[in-house]
Amino acid sequence: AQKVTQAQTEISVVEKEDVTLDCVYETRDTTYYLFWYKQPPSGELVFLIRRNSFDEQNEISGRYSWNFQKSTSSFNFTITASQVVDSAVYFCALSEPSGAGSYQLTFGKGTKLSVIP
Amino acid sequence: DGGITQSPKYLFRKEGQNVTLSCEQNLNHDAMYWYRQDPGQGLRLIYYSQIVNDFQKGDIAEGYSVSREKKESFPLTVTSAQKNPTAFYLCASSIQGEEGYTFGSGTRLTVV
Repeated sequence: AQKVTQAQTEISVVEKEDVTLDCVYETRDTTYYLFWYKQPPSGELVFLIRRNSFDEQNEISGRYSWNFQKSTSSFNFTITASQVVDSAVYFCALSEPSGAGSYQLTFGKGTKLSVIP
Repeated sequence: DGGITQSPKYLFRKEGQNVTLSCEQNLNHDAMYWYRQDPGQGLRLIYYSQIVNDFQKGDIAEGYSVSREKKESFPLTVTSAQKNPTAFYLCASSIQGEEGYTFGSGTRLTVV
């Protein structure tokens, strides 16, 4: 079973629409971290947010917001009033302890978002 | 400025040749990682190293080799045994015991 599932492979929205990217994760650890990264066409990974497993507060940063629900093992990402510059591939990732004090990051397969002007 | 440098950005090689991708960091991070990205596959872990002179296989290590002779450097060699080497390769590093990774800008390898 996948540890991080992003069920939406591709999404297209018209500019100014809101869009939610889904992420469901699986872990047996009580301490873990969740991330969202943005990958524009240039290829580099841009860090968006980190959440630890003990903090279920939702977070808002400008047009971006994140909904973390441990009960459903989900960490969804919403972009409000989407813009063309939001077009990218978005990755959800799970970081778990892997022994000897280290962490290992596992990525979902990504969701390609296209915002149409 | 501290960061991770991957070079080159684009690399072309003939089938059957080994090729080495460079990854250098000046963040004083203990751990370093190599990921491979294919369309629709997300990022998959190839190898990782938590300390100098030690490294472990990730999920898709076959056809690849690494070395960690210096803390700052973690080169990845794509050997002729790798069946489908054309991909985007990302290097990352982290402080031991911390969950956050810093990524390089990637190397796009094309084998013709």
